Amino acid sequence: GQQVMQIPQYQHVQEGEDFTTYCNSSTTLSNIQWYKQRPGGHPVFLIQLVKSGEVKKQKRLTFQFGEAKKNSSLHITATQTTDVGTYFCAVVGGSQGNLIFGKGTKLSVKP
Amino acid sequence: NAGVTQTPKFRILKIGQSMTLQCAQDMNHNYMYWYRQDPGMGLKLIYYSVGAGITDKGEVPNGYNVSRSTTEDFPLRLELAAPSQTSVYFCASSYGRATEAFFGQGTRLTVV
Repeated sequence: GQQVMQIPQYQHVQEGEDFTTYCNSSTTLSNIQWYKQRPGGHPVFLIQLVKSGEVKKQKRLTFQFGEAKKNSSLHITATQTTDVGTYFCAVVGGSQGNLIFGKGTKLSVKP
Repeated sequence: NAGVTQTPKFRILKIGQSMTLQCAQDMNHNYMYWYRQDPGMGLKLIYYSVGAGITDKGEVPNGYNVSRSTTEDFPLRLELAAPSQTSVYFCASSYGRATEAFFGQGTRLTVV
């Protein structure tokens, strides 16, 4: 079935440093979604990318979809303590469109 | 709108007991999902449904059962609970294929 590899698994940064997480697939994706889960919370949708080479920004967050639609990245500029949490990518798998999540990247930010 | 509502929030089960985790959404979403999340791990799909009367297995369906008799409700049944089923369970829903998924607050289940 459809799988996505997400790296790194953990990232520890000093507040103010940048952070990037990557999501890779061996097959072409129709789209990709990104979610954030705060510690003790539930995943919350951030964005969906659909077009090849698409770049979307949300304040300090930049999302990118690769030209071949096989990879995606989430970049956070100048991290803040409020960015702490686990970031997941998710893709549609199977013939009926079930949502498959990557293993996530856990971000910790040292003040 | 309440969104996706899961009950209970916490539960302790003894080995061999059974229980049903409830999930309800009021957004008229077609797709509903059940995931489990083990400590420090990602989300594994247990079962999903693309509409009332239609369910399908995900990555880790063994030990679980679901039903979808209405658009709103998608209960998850655990029969003969085992310690390996200790996890946080999330229900989610989305309007259609490849649309934003909304998650419930989760049910933290411990099997002892």
